[in-house]
Amino acid sequence: GAVVSQHPSWVICKSGTSVKIECRSLDFQATTMFWYRQFPKQSLMLMATSNEGSKATYEQGVEKDKFLINHASLTLSTLTVTSAHPEDSSFYICSAVWGVGDYGYTFGSGTRLTVV
Amino acid sequence: DAKTTQPTSMDCAEGRAANLPCNHSTISGNEYVYWYRQIHSQGPQYIIHGLKNNETNEMASLIITEDRKSSTLILPHATLRDTAVYYCIVSVDGSARQLTFGSGTQLTVLP
Repeated sequence: GAVVSQHPSWVICKSGTSVKIECRSLDFQATTMFWYRQFPKQSLMLMATSNEGSKATYEQGVEKDKFLINHASLTLSTLTVTSAHPEDSSFYICSAVWGVGDYGYTFGSGTRLTVV
Repeated sequence: DAKTTQPTSMDCAEGRAANLPCNHSTISGNEYVYWYRQIHSQGPQYIIHGLKNNETNEMASLIITEDRKSSTLILPHATLRDTAVYYCIVSVDGSARQLTFGSGTQLTVLP
């Protein structure tokens, strides 16, 4: 149980275009999801917290107008990288919280974004 | 959340026990110790978590010192597929807050 599906697994896009990454909870409802970014040989860095039905909370230094997060349902959160540039190339990972009280955290398989 | 300190890397022979240490000297009374691992180019995978008692599941054992300032993750019989970065994280259970990842330990299981 508590499975999170993230798509696509990898994507290559041209500079200036936008890319959407989806994160779905398959067998539970996820009120809260998190988006992380990971550069090569580095740890995961939290980008934003996504709450169903409300605006996402972004970490300091993360541009909310560039990284658009939508969490319109209890099973889907999306991250859109707008006007992508090569420096946005990274591994993006979503995580969903499940349970009530005794919470668990499940992670998606990640999306490798390459901007050329 | 309390900060954790882990060795950068460790090697372990296949079939032997892998013991991964973690220091969390500033842990609070209501913070749990979580262990996750990340195999290259995949999302983190949950391993185990605990508060103050030792815990064991099908993947690993977690030994937490009595003062809770450090813990050890034990993989009893390491295989090549256990090669990954292992993250020790402390967080308040039941808070639904984000998990904050440190630099982790790169475990390499050698044939």
